[in-house]
Amino acid sequence: GAVVSQHPSWVICKSGTSVKIECRSLDFQATTMFWYRQFPKQSLMLMATSNEGSKATYEQGVEKDKFLINHASLTLSTLTVTSAHPEDSSFYICSAAVNEKLFFGSGTQLSVL
Amino acid sequence: EDKVVQSPLSLVVHEGDTVTLNCSYEVTNFRSLLWYKQEKKAPTFLFMLTSSGIEKKSGRLSSILDKKELFSILNITATQTGDSAIYLCAVESNTGNQFYFGTGTSLTVIP
Repeated sequence: GAVVSQHPSWVICKSGTSVKIECRSLDFQATTMFWYRQFPKQSLMLMATSNEGSKATYEQGVEKDKFLINHASLTLSTLTVTSAHPEDSSFYICSAAVNEKLFFGSGTQLSVL
Repeated sequence: EDKVVQSPLSLVVHEGDTVTLNCSYEVTNFRSLLWYKQEKKAPTFLFMLTSSGIEKKSGRLSSILDKKELFSILNITATQTGDSAIYLCAVESNTGNQFYFGTGTSLTVIP
C-alpha cells in the first residue's frame, strides 16, 4: 500500500508560538491531501483539503488564517498552527487517496502549554 | 447535507463475543464505503465496499453493504483484546474527491 509519512509525531510548544506539521507521500504523488483533527475516542474531523499548487479548501468553522496549509509539491503538504493556544492541543492527522482508498500518516500529537 | 452515522458510539464486550458495528449514510453520488481500524495512531484500512450484497471477509472480520437501505455492517467474530480500537466508516463521493467520516465506534474487548 501507499505510504504517507507525517512529522513530527508529537510536539509540545508554548502558547503563542507556531508549529509546522509535515505530511509526505513517499511512494506516490498526491495532488490532494486531507488534514484532520481528532479528539480522544472520537472520529476524525476534516479540517481542510489541500490541493497541490492551489489554495486549500477549508471546512466550515476552521480558521484559515490560524491553520495555514501549503501544498507546494506533489509529495508534500504542510499544516502550520499559528499562534497556538491550549485549545489547539489535539491529534492532527493527514491522509491521501490512492485508488479510492485513503492512506493515513501516523499523526501528530500537539500539546500547547 | 451529506452525513455518515455509526452506531453504537462505544461498545464493551468480553473476549469470544461477536460484535456488529453499523454505518448508515446519506451521501450524494456515492462511490464507495470504507472501513478502518484505528488503535493508536494511523487508521489502517480494512475493507472497501462498492456493491450491494457482496460480503468482504478477512479472517474474523467481515463486512457487507446495502446500497438500497444505505448502510453497511462490520462483523467481528470471536473477539480478542487486540480488536480493541476505534472503528471508522468513511463514504467516498464522486463529487470532488470527498470522503465523509462517521462518528466512529469505540470497541473495548475485555479478557
